[in-house]
Amino acid sequence: DTAVSQTPKYLVTQMGNDKSIKCEQNLGHDTMYWYKQDSKKFLKIMFSYNNKELIINETVPNRFSPKSPDKAHLNLHINSLELGDSAVYFCASSQDRRTRVLQGQFFGPGTRLTVL
Amino acid sequence: DQQVKQNSPSLSVQEGRISILNCDYTNSMFDYFLWYKKYPAEGPTFLISISSIKDKNEDGRFTVFLNKSAKHLSLHIVPSQPGDSAVYFCAASGRRGMDSNYQLIWGAGTKLIIKP
Repeated sequence: DTAVSQTPKYLVTQMGNDKSIKCEQNLGHDTMYWYKQDSKKFLKIMFSYNNKELIINETVPNRFSPKSPDKAHLNLHINSLELGDSAVYFCASSQDRRTRVLQGQFFGPGTRLTVL
Repeated sequence: DQQVKQNSPSLSVQEGRISILNCDYTNSMFDYFLWYKKYPAEGPTFLISISSIKDKNEDGRFTVFLNKSAKHLSLHIVPSQPGDSAVYFCAASGRRGMDSNYQLIWGAGTKLIIKP
């Protein structure tokens, strides 16, 4: 009964490959996010979807494409992987209402991507 | 340009004593502040939050103080317990544009070590 789940937990792949990371939340939340935790440990937002609609799209290469088949799922596809894509990627979800922002975002366990 | 700064990468505290984690921000438009706790190989977990209309919020052993004039907030943990050893992230949120979506801006984290 995990609230936010991500698969896989670890992903090791070669440069140039295409890979996907899946995320699912069973909290009934309206909004889902993808974050990248870089080598300096900063968490940086990449994308945010609200009810399957893209609402935040920070400056990330267009090799990264989020796909939200329904509001409980937000998958991240990465094409032509590069060495610099190696990082931990976190999925998160939240209720997207002003009065609920203080309840915070719920995070998945992260996916450690290593590009060789 | 770091809008949320946690200047101490690590902090070591004796069990039973008070732990004080600090966070500074630069954007006066932030109106919500949150603390997250992260264990290794797990996603961040929401801990406590505060609205900019308050200067203190308390939840059990955890208290967050907000000093808006100094653009500074702190998390107090008292008494500190071994299970509190983790990385603590400060995050700030402000309304993005005119919509109702709130984006979190994160600090780099402070690693808290509780010594027995």
